[in-house]
Amino acid sequence: GEDVEQSLFLSVREGDSSVINCTYTDSSSTYLYWYKQEPGAGLQLLTYIFSNMDMKQDQRLTVLLNKKDKHLSLRIADTQTGDSAIYFCAEKGQSGGYQKVTFGIGTKLQVIP
Amino acid sequence: NAGVTQTPKFQVLKTGQSMTLQCAQDMNHNSMYWYRQDPGMGLRLIYYSASEGTTDKGEVPNGYNVSRLNKREFSLRLESAAPSQTSVYFCASSPGQGYQETQYFGPGTRLLVL
Repeated sequence: GEDVEQSLFLSVREGDSSVINCTYTDSSSTYLYWYKQEPGAGLQLLTYIFSNMDMKQDQRLTVLLNKKDKHLSLRIADTQTGDSAIYFCAEKGQSGGYQKVTFGIGTKLQVIP
Repeated sequence: NAGVTQTPKFQVLKTGQSMTLQCAQDMNHNSMYWYRQDPGMGLRLIYYSASEGTTDKGEVPNGYNVSRLNKREFSLRLESAAPSQTSVYFCASSPGQGYQETQYFGPGTRLLVL
């Protein structure tokens, strides 16, 4: 079945760049997402990329997609303490009649002042 | 717009008790979802409703029932709670089922079953 894998934890210093990586197995994935979850809150969509794109940039966020290797990354430039959160990678693919979204377990980003 | 709202925010139950988690969205979305989030497991889909009047099982439906009361509301019921159902429950909605349509999440309900 579909699987999405992420590392559990990343620690960076304020002002540095953060890179969060994700791998997925579903070759029929059409959209890939990054969600942010702050403590005690729900998931907030950060950005997404269509599977025929290699890169998407949105202000401090850069998403890179290597479809051949099924590897997705999220780069946060000039990381701030407010970026401390759990980041979920997710992919959408077809599962029967349903557009199934499969989530990774989340990467906890700790930003050190 | 409030987006997706969930009640209650936090609940403690004893084994065998029942309860209903409420979810409502004001974005006129057709599709709604219930997920549970457990440490080290990511989010797992319990049930979803592709449109008003339809519901379907997700990945982990056992022990749960749902009702799509109307277009706005989608409730999740635990008939006889078990400690294994201790989790954080998230409701989400999306405009539809198209590939380009993303899901919007509520703040979650934290459930502890003793």
